[in-house]
Amino acid sequence: KAGVTQTPRYLIKTRGQQVTLSCSPISGHRSVSWYQQTPGQGLQFLFEYFSETQRNKGNFPGRFSGRQFSNSRSEMNVSTLELGDSALYLCASSPGGKRNIQYFGAGTRLSVL
Amino acid sequence: AQTVTQSQPEMSVQEAETVTLSCTYDTSESDYYLFWYKQPPSRQMILVIRQEAYKQQNATENRFSVNFQKAAKSFSLKISDSQLGDAAMYFCAYRSGTGNQFYFGTGTSLTVIP
Repeated sequence: KAGVTQTPRYLIKTRGQQVTLSCSPISGHRSVSWYQQTPGQGLQFLFEYFSETQRNKGNFPGRFSGRQFSNSRSEMNVSTLELGDSALYLCASSPGGKRNIQYFGAGTRLSVL
Repeated sequence: AQTVTQSQPEMSVQEAETVTLSCTYDTSESDYYLFWYKQPPSRQMILVIRQEAYKQQNATENRFSVNFQKAAKSFSLKISDSQLGDAAMYFCAYRSGTGNQFYFGTGTSLTVIP
C-alpha cells in the first residue's frame, strides 16, 4: 500500500497570498487530520475530516480551512498568508475506529516571505 | 483539553546503550491511547509504539518499550541497544478513546553518539 502523500513538498509564498496544500491518504482510510509543526509550538492540530465532513477543529483562525473529497483526498487552504504561517504542515490519515493509529505524510514545508 | 508534556528537549546516548525519554500527560478520561512517534531528519513521522490505557502490561516493540504508570500519568519510552538510526525527534502523543484528535508533546531530540 502506498503511504500518505503530500504535495508539494516545498512552497515559497509572500505575505497576503493564499496557498493550497494537498494530501492523499492511505487507500481505505477515511479520516484525514492536518497539523502545523513549528520549532516553538511543536505539532498543533488544525482539523480533521472524516467522510467529507469536518469532525474536529483546532484553535486556528478562519484563514485556515480545509475540505475532503469523496475519494478521501484532502486539501488545506490558507488565505492572506502571514509570516507566522511559515511551518511544516503535516497530514495524517487513519482508518477511523476505536483503535486508530495515525499515519503521517512527509509534510509540506511552507515559507512565507 | 488534554496536555502532553515532554520535559527533555534534548537527550543523548552512546551507541549500544539504553536511554529513557519522559512523557507526562493530563487527562480526566479513563479510556485513551498513548503513542510514541519518531521523526527523523527526513521529516516522516513514524509510529514507534502504542499503549492502550486499559492494558496494564507495558507495550514492547523489539528494542523499544514503555513504562506506563497510569496513576502517575506517566508514559516513558525506553530504547535499548541504541543505534545510529535511532537519532530523531521523538514525540509523545495522546488520543482520547472517544475521538480521533491527537495531542502531541513538544518533542525530545535524541542524539546517538558513535
